[in-house]
Amino acid sequence: NAGVTQTPKFQVLKTGQSMTLQCAQDMNHEYMSWYRQDPGMGLRLIHYSVGAGITDQGEVPNGYNVSRSTTEDFPLRLLSAAPSQTSVYFCASSYLDRDIDGYTFGSGTRLTVV
Amino acid sequence: DQQVKQNSPSLSVQEGRISILNCDYTNSMFDYFLWYKKYPAEGPTFLISISSIKDKNEDGRFTVFLNKSAKHLSLHIVPSQPGDSAVYFCAASTGNQFYFGTGTSLTVIP
Repeated sequence: NAGVTQTPKFQVLKTGQSMTLQCAQDMNHEYMSWYRQDPGMGLRLIHYSVGAGITDQGEVPNGYNVSRSTTEDFPLRLLSAAPSQTSVYFCASSYLDRDIDGYTFGSGTRLTVV
Repeated sequence: DQQVKQNSPSLSVQEGRISILNCDYTNSMFDYFLWYKKYPAEGPTFLISISSIKDKNEDGRFTVFLNKSAKHLSLHIVPSQPGDSAVYFCAASTGNQFYFGTGTSLTVIP
């Protein structure tokens, strides 16, 4: 049981470049989300999805796009990277019934934009 | 504006003693609260949760207390063990959005 898998683990981008952070889960969770963690800011929600074909914005969506074509995958796209997007990114998934064990997080992607 | 606050960035406790981690929130619409534990270079892992209809939930050495009138949440760890040393995040949710605090780094001294 792999849980939530994030790739890559580390990435360095130049300002203006684009890239996609991958997230996959094998637990048949309906709910998937992306967070960024910055020093002194905790974890902030970027985008989330309650099922295939459905996405919505979180607290800090600007500069990021998502799509959910399958239950398993929820990629996060940076269209034109900026230094302010340097952060650690976590993908998380759960059942829609929040009483079942909360979220399962991936191990994170550390992104540096220079 | 931070809706979930953990005002203590760090806490040190002797092994065997009680660790108390605190969390305050501002949104009275939050109806579900969770604690997560995070080790360096790993994702947060779920620890314990509580619904707003309860004021206490226990799981082994971990107990979460909810005081809705004070909008305050706390996590008690008894007895504390060196392996509990980690960063602890509290989180609150309403609907499909979760809001996290900034974390408290707990060090349990052997």
